[in-house]
Amino acid sequence: GQQLNQSPQSMFIQEGEDVSMNCTSSSIFNTWLWYKQEPGEGPVLLIALYKAGELTSNGRLTAQFGITRKDSFLNISASIPSDVGIYFCAGRGNAGNMLTFGGGTRLMVKP
Amino acid sequence: DGGITQSPKYLFRKEGQNVTLSCEQNLNHDAMYWYRQDPGQGLRLIYYSQIVNDFQKGDIAEGYSVSREKKESFPLTVTSAQKNPTAFYLCASSREDLKFSPLHFGNGTRLTVT
Repeated sequence: GQQLNQSPQSMFIQEGEDVSMNCTSSSIFNTWLWYKQEPGEGPVLLIALYKAGELTSNGRLTAQFGITRKDSFLNISASIPSDVGIYFCAGRGNAGNMLTFGGGTRLMVKP
Repeated sequence: DGGITQSPKYLFRKEGQNVTLSCEQNLNHDAMYWYRQDPGQGLRLIYYSQIVNDFQKGDIAEGYSVSREKKESFPLTVTSAQKNPTAFYLCASSREDLKFSPLHFGNGTRLTVT
């Protein structure tokens, strides 16, 4: 089946720093989604991307749908302590409405 | 407010017992899903249902069973046949009438089997 490689697996950064994480796929995706999960809770949708090359922002978050349709990036600018959590990418290919999830990037922010 | 409710938040069971996890949504979504999450891993699909009285196996369905008798409800039973049942279980739902509808997740049930 389809696989998503998400990196880095974890990041420990200083408050105020910018963060960048990415996902790459072995096959083409038509949709990329980025979720954030806080401890003991379900993932919450941050950004949805539906077109190759699309660049979308949500506050301090910016995500891009790679033009090859096999990758996506999420950037967080000027990180704050409440950015702590696990960030997941998810992609949808041609096989119906199913999503494939990356392994997650655990973000830790030092005040 | 609309949303997805999973209960209970924490569940403890003895090995060999079946256990049922509840998932209810009032978003009027057609599709519902069950995912399993293990530490350091992404979400893996157990079962999904796109319409009432119909459901399909996901990637790791062995040892699990589901039912979809009502649009709002999609309970998951973890049977004694599941070799490694201790995990965080997430229920999700989505609309099916758009090109694509992002998944909306519940807050999960943490199951511990000893």
